[in-house]
Amino acid sequence: GEEVAQTPKHLVRGEGQKAKLYCAPIKGHSYVFWYQQVLKNEFKFLISFQNENVFDETGMPKERFSAKCLPNSPCSLEIQATKLEDSAVYFCASSQGADNEQFFGPGTRLTVL
Amino acid sequence: EDQVTQSPEALRLQEGESSSLNCSYTVSGLRGLFWYRQDPGKGPEFLFTLYSAGEEKEKERLKATLTKKESFLHITAPKPEDSATYLCAAPGDSGYSTLTFGKGTMLLVSP
Repeated sequence: GEEVAQTPKHLVRGEGQKAKLYCAPIKGHSYVFWYQQVLKNEFKFLISFQNENVFDETGMPKERFSAKCLPNSPCSLEIQATKLEDSAVYFCASSQGADNEQFFGPGTRLTVL
Repeated sequence: EDQVTQSPEALRLQEGESSSLNCSYTVSGLRGLFWYRQDPGKGPEFLFTLYSAGEEKEKERLKATLTKKESFLHITAPKPEDSATYLCAAPGDSGYSTLTFGKGTMLLVSP
């Protein structure tokens, strides 16, 4: 598609439950990035992919967070055993090349109760 | 540590009152400086990429400029629909393409 698509728009989970977020990058874009926006304008990088390969995972809290980008499927970000502090808006972005501009999706708002 | 700092945090303008937003960065070997606009409840919308000092890009009432240490987003004769948070971002030094974002400038343009 012409835009980055993210589903669901909102997700509510009880503490300890699993959350799974999905992202479909712009067609033809090789790179996918996940960011977490907790406070109003603070973006935290989580992980990036070049096609189905992890490109940079330096921001991932490895014990509970995992992500995949498989061929012919939306990319996914999964949080096992969610905690209250995981409440945030999660943005996915895609780009044609590693240093090209990144185009962002509308985000998924995760609320952990 | 890579730093991207934006000022002011918030800016209130009257319609037609031109002004500039600042983004200063300490990323060495800059591989691009990006400006985005974010409306409440939405994802950042790409505006401009600047790659080298002296470069300028324009779009409607917005003009972005870049020097060796900072970038400016000039807003000429703004309208209420320009109200949004403006973010700048730069890839870090790590060799990857992770964007380091500034905290943004929240712009409010009153009619």
